[in-house]
Amino acid sequence: QKEVEQNSGPLSVPEGAIASLNCTYSDRGSQSFFWYRQYSGKSPELIMFIYSNGDKEDGRFTAQLNKASQYVSLLIRDSQPSDSATYLCAVVRFGNEKLTFGTGTRLTIIP
Amino acid sequence: NAGVTQTPKFRILKIGQSMTLQCAQDMNHNYMYWYRQDPGMGLKLIYYSVGAGITDKGEVPNGYNVSRSTTEDFPLRLELAAPSQTSVYFCASSSSRGGNTIYFGEGSWLTVV
Repeated sequence: QKEVEQNSGPLSVPEGAIASLNCTYSDRGSQSFFWYRQYSGKSPELIMFIYSNGDKEDGRFTAQLNKASQYVSLLIRDSQPSDSATYLCAVVRFGNEKLTFGTGTRLTIIP
Repeated sequence: NAGVTQTPKFRILKIGQSMTLQCAQDMNHNYMYWYRQDPGMGLKLIYYSVGAGITDKGEVPNGYNVSRSTTEDFPLRLELAAPSQTSVYFCASSSSRGGNTIYFGEGSWLTVV
């Protein structure tokens, strides 16, 4: 079982709709969870991080964490063409210095 | 503010050659990392360092070596390049354990032929 799993996509969403990206992790010792956006040919950039169960909102982005189900998601409201990118989920285990990444989900927003 | 600087950006190597990817950060970060990203895949950790003089292996260290003689620099050396090392390499740094302040360099595209 992979440590961090994501659907590779591609996920196509109409402009203005909600895009929902999902990630599961296998290590119950994971304590910090991150979503990165990566445009083609560019380096990853941090969108959000979440530590506690529940929802965390930042503008059009909402991260959701459910530690019991080992599940973290990212919702993008009012999707824009500029949101088209690969979204990487990453986790950090308690007491660890290292991010473990999923393989990413490619999101395409259709105008 | 330069952040994390990687050189070279592009390089073609022949099988069996060696080279060093340079990485420097000007943010006085203790934590530095080298990742590789194969096409359509996530990032895999090669090596990391928690401070000058301290390095440790990540998930995929075979075929690579690192050193951390200063806080600023974290070069990655490829010995006896193989086609399997064709990838994009990202250097990153962080001020804290845990990753919420991690900064990535722009990447180095390496092709081994």
